[in-house]
Amino acid sequence: GAGVSQSPRYKVAKRGQDVALRCDPISGHVSLFWYQQALGQGPEFLTYFQNEAQLDKSGLPSDRFFAERPEGSVSTLKIQRTQQEDSAVYLCASSPWRGRGEWGPLNEQFFGPGTRLTVL
Amino acid sequence: TQLLEQSPQFLSIQEGENLTVYCNSSSVFSSLQWYRQEPGEGPVLLVTVVTGGEVKKLKRLTFQFGDARKDSSLHITAAQPGDTGLYLCAGGDGGSNYKLTFGKGTLLTVNP
Repeated sequence: GAGVSQSPRYKVAKRGQDVALRCDPISGHVSLFWYQQALGQGPEFLTYFQNEAQLDKSGLPSDRFFAERPEGSVSTLKIQRTQQEDSAVYLCASSPWRGRGEWGPLNEQFFGPGTRLTVL
Repeated sequence: TQLLEQSPQFLSIQEGENLTVYCNSSSVFSSLQWYRQEPGEGPVLLVTVVTGGEVKKLKRLTFQFGDARKDSSLHITAAQPGDTGLYLCAGGDGGSNYKLTFGKGTLLTVNP
């Protein structure tokens, strides 16, 4: 079956432009995560959705970052007035975890290929 | 904030050699995961270790979780060019905390 897909794969933006990054999770996966991976770093958590509800946005670096998942499937990460420090790979992951009970080690997160954002 | 330190940061070896990479923290993790990430792709889960002292083997890869659940190691026997990639460890602190804390990774290059 299809894995997690993300689009576009590459995005170049001029400083100050708004961008929208799309994530198509694995069908039926309830949980969806966004991560930011700067060059030479590991991924850092941005936000978490359970279906359409954004339950955790503690990792979003500023109020210029906004994420939504209106129908509990596709998600969009929007960055307004992009800055050079926003340049990074943005990874989306989905999981079958249904938000009940403890998050266990077997609730694997399946990652998409990422969108590489370059802000000039 | 829980931090994971990985070492070495870079490793270049010849095909057939053995290697070990490390993941260390001052914090206790309820579970620890190892991922491999290839250029232009997202991380792919290799293994999850849960119990202190646990050892798991996946073909030529051996993963160990420290007794105190603060550190882990990945040993690769007879490395092959296909093992080339960025190896990331990620810790979870259990409970309802689903956020993974990732290390910076070890970039492994296996030369033919």
